[in-house]
Amino acid sequence: DTGVSQNPRHKITKRGQNVTFRCDPISEHNRLYWYRQTLGQGPEFLTYFQNEAQLEKSRLLSDRFSAERPKGSFSTLEIQRTEQGDSAMYLCASSPLFWTGKVGHGYTFGSGTRLTVV
Amino acid sequence: DQQVKQNSPSLSVQEGRISILNCDYTNSMFDYFLWYKKYPAEGPTFLISISSIKDKNEDGRFTVFLNKSAKHLSLHIVPSQPGDSAVYFCAARSGGSNYKLTFGKGTLLTVNP
Repeated sequence: DTGVSQNPRHKITKRGQNVTFRCDPISEHNRLYWYRQTLGQGPEFLTYFQNEAQLEKSRLLSDRFSAERPKGSFSTLEIQRTEQGDSAMYLCASSPLFWTGKVGHGYTFGSGTRLTVV
Repeated sequence: DQQVKQNSPSLSVQEGRISILNCDYTNSMFDYFLWYKKYPAEGPTFLISISSIKDKNEDGRFTVFLNKSAKHLSLHIVPSQPGDSAVYFCAARSGGSNYKLTFGKGTLLTVNP
């Protein structure tokens, strides 16, 4: 397994357009997370899935954002009517269903998708 | 409210010396604390973690100390190497079942040869 894969790596879009990002987690990981990182900040939690169920959404996830994880495998994050404030790095992570935290390698991040809204 | 704080935006040390990165938190319900290293245009890479019931964890050149009464943790890197230059994030895991991580803003470490 090559780890968590995110596509595309970079996306430039015009304000008002819709964009979709994809995340392929580590195959045996049941949990999948989306985070957003803006300049000068740490990653901020957006949402998480356990298998195909979306179990928590941050208040940062406005109505223009939607995430899916059909069949509990890959996940997509869609942003509708993009705004300049959406420009950020969008990070995906995955972990096993039971993660003690002792072995941090169990919680693995992808390389992210850098979104620029012009 | 920022539950995990890294008050030093940057730190510069000489190669071979000790690097000490600090982190403070406010939420007593965090059960694990993790340190991540991040290069530009890459995702965070796990370095070391510590349970909230421990006060020290060591892995090679990296040691994390936790002072629960002060709600403070620190990462020590000894000896520092130029390849350690990166942004370091402190993160805390929410106790419970969702495994959400709360990150600090990061500290840019520069190790000078």
